[in-house]
Amino acid sequence: QKEVEQNSGPLSVPEGAIASLNCTYSDRGSQSFFWYRQYSGKSPELIMSIYSNGDKEDGRFTAQLNKASQYVSLLIRDSQPSDSATYLCAVRLASGGSYIPTFGRGTSLIVHP
Amino acid sequence: DAGITQSPRYKITETGRQVTLMCHQTWSHSYMFWYRQDLGHGLRLIYYSAAADITDKGEVPDGYVVSRSKTENFPLTLESATRSQTSVYFCAAGGRRGGTDTQYFGPGTRLTVL
Repeated sequence: QKEVEQNSGPLSVPEGAIASLNCTYSDRGSQSFFWYRQYSGKSPELIMSIYSNGDKEDGRFTAQLNKASQYVSLLIRDSQPSDSATYLCAVRLASGGSYIPTFGRGTSLIVHP
Repeated sequence: DAGITQSPRYKITETGRQVTLMCHQTWSHSYMFWYRQDLGHGLRLIYYSAAADITDKGEVPDGYVVSRSKTENFPLTLESATRSQTSVYFCAAGGRRGGTDTQYFGPGTRLTVL
């Protein structure tokens, strides 16, 4: 059973809109949370990491973490067609200090002009 | 930045043959990983290594062997390839530095087993 869940999508948004991607996880002791972007035929690329409750902003990207509700989200403001990709959520579970992230299956985002 | 390289990038082989996929990092990240990615399954961890000479199984280790004699190299061997091992294989390196977790992926190897 997958411990990190994402809606597979596709999520379709118009250019300039805010895209909201969500991820839930099952392990309450999870410590680190990541968002990766993967273009078709390419490898995943780390775009955001977040470790504490609240918002973390980086350019047009904002990661939001709510540990009480066990979800992490990624907001993409002013979405561009170049943002069209699959977005993978990853969570580092609390397991004796080892560094083993678990990935969700990803959400496909389509930004149409 | 070619911090992680994989070779070959494409490989076609036949059922029953042994295949080795190479992974090399130019950094000194302690952790290295092998994933396979298939439609409908997402990224699945095959094996990982916390340091040289320390390896451990991931979610789908059957049919694969790894070694890590040097920090920078982490080869993955398919001992007797099967069609179900047709996939895209990604190597990754990462760990915790300065209070920040990182993980970087190589470009991938597309393997076809006939």
